[in-house]
Amino acid sequence: AQTVTQSQPEMSVQEAETVTLSCTYDTSESDYYLFWYKQPPSRQMILVIRQEAYKQQNATENRFSVNFQKAAKSFSLKISDSQLGDAAMYFCAYRRDDKIIFGKGTRLHILP
Amino acid sequence: DTAVSQTPKYLVTQMGNDKSIKCEQNLGHDTMYWYKQDSKKFLKIMFSYNNKELIINETVPNRFSPKSPDKAHLNLHINSLELGDSAVYFCASSLRRPNTEAFFGQGTRLTVV
Repeated sequence: AQTVTQSQPEMSVQEAETVTLSCTYDTSESDYYLFWYKQPPSRQMILVIRQEAYKQQNATENRFSVNFQKAAKSFSLKISDSQLGDAAMYFCAYRRDDKIIFGKGTRLHILP
Repeated sequence: DTAVSQTPKYLVTQMGNDKSIKCEQNLGHDTMYWYKQDSKKFLKIMFSYNNKELIINETVPNRFSPKSPDKAHLNLHINSLELGDSAVYFCASSLRRPNTEAFFGQGTRLTVV
């Protein structure tokens, strides 16, 4: 069975600094999608970034980028120039076919 | 124009009652889901429907009965509510192919007292 592990329950970063959130996953499949979702206090689940496993190039969305290491089954999220609005729970997720599996989340605090 | 909408946003009810949560999506997706988020924020899939057909049932008690009248709607009915059912329930939708991201509703906070 597929699993997604986020080993950092909480992290803090100074405003304007860079932070990296870790995620590892376990699968025997070669074709799948990976995502990072953000959940602010409003509770809305917001897609931050997606990565298709067959693409070697790391995905980037403005200040958000990933480091996708397929062989190591690692998918970390880097947030550059952290802003107060980035404070939220961040979930790593894996999708293959009909199931999207989430990690337990990392709570990110932004220090002013 | 809301993409995935679920109602109600908040639901407080007594143990033993029966309640329903409704979900609708206007994205033209063919797959819909129910997720449960517990007090520790863990998101666990409950059900997945594709074209009104149940695809995934993750060992959820049979007090929980999803119903999909059409591709755009997936409702969740819960019988005989228990204290442990208190959680946030999220509806989501996606395309089945390709396996891209799911879009989530705003969640329903269910409190059983």
